[in-house]
Amino acid sequence: KQEVTQIPAALSVPEGENLVLNCSFTDSAIYNLQWFRQDPGKGLTSLLLIQSSQREQTSGRLNASLDKSSGRSTLYIAASQPGDSATYLCAVRDRNTGGFKTIFGAGTRLFVKA
Amino acid sequence: DVKVTQSSRYLVKRTGEKVFLECVQDMDHENMFWYRQDPGLGLRLIYFSYDVKMKEKGDIPEGYSVSREKKERFSLILESASTNQTSMYLCASSFLQIRDLGIDSNQPQHFGDGTRLSIL
Repeated sequence: KQEVTQIPAALSVPEGENLVLNCSFTDSAIYNLQWFRQDPGKGLTSLLLIQSSQREQTSGRLNASLDKSSGRSTLYIAASQPGDSATYLCAVRDRNTGGFKTIFGAGTRLFVKA
Repeated sequence: DVKVTQSSRYLVKRTGEKVFLECVQDMDHENMFWYRQDPGLGLRLIYFSYDVKMKEKGDIPEGYSVSREKKERFSLILESASTNQTSMYLCASSFLQIRDLGIDSNQPQHFGDGTRLSIL
């Protein structure tokens, strides 16, 4: 059964720092991996999606990498800002269930101090 | 931009009531999903649908049912609400995965803003 783990559970950094959020998954049979952002009391906003055949995706100050064979993904945030404070979730689209199921990690709560 | 709209942001109901949560998407997506999100447990899939009138159980379907009469609308029904169904409910949609062709799919899920449901 696919499991997704995110470390750390919470992170506090000063403004301007570059940071890395980690995501690991137990089964490499995935269609894609998606990173989301969730603000308190709100729904999820998609940040980046990496197909299983890809190694990385970039959007602005965000860069996500995928190493499917080792079951790992990282989200790199450059020059962090207070507005980046949110919970970041990673999720894999599981191939074993025909691609219908997406398995989510519990998230990393990020706080960027001004 | 994809728009997934959930009918209520906050809802308070009583134990034993029948509760309807509505979700509408405007991008002609085949797939629609209902999740609940609880602290420490993350998002858990309740039900999903890949076509009109089609539905599949997720990981925690007990106490819930769904309805998909039109492609753009997916309803979650709590048959007899109980206090342990107090939670944040999230609806999502996506295009159909092209799994049978063996093609890696680039079909992200798009989420609504969620409904925070309290059962008293």
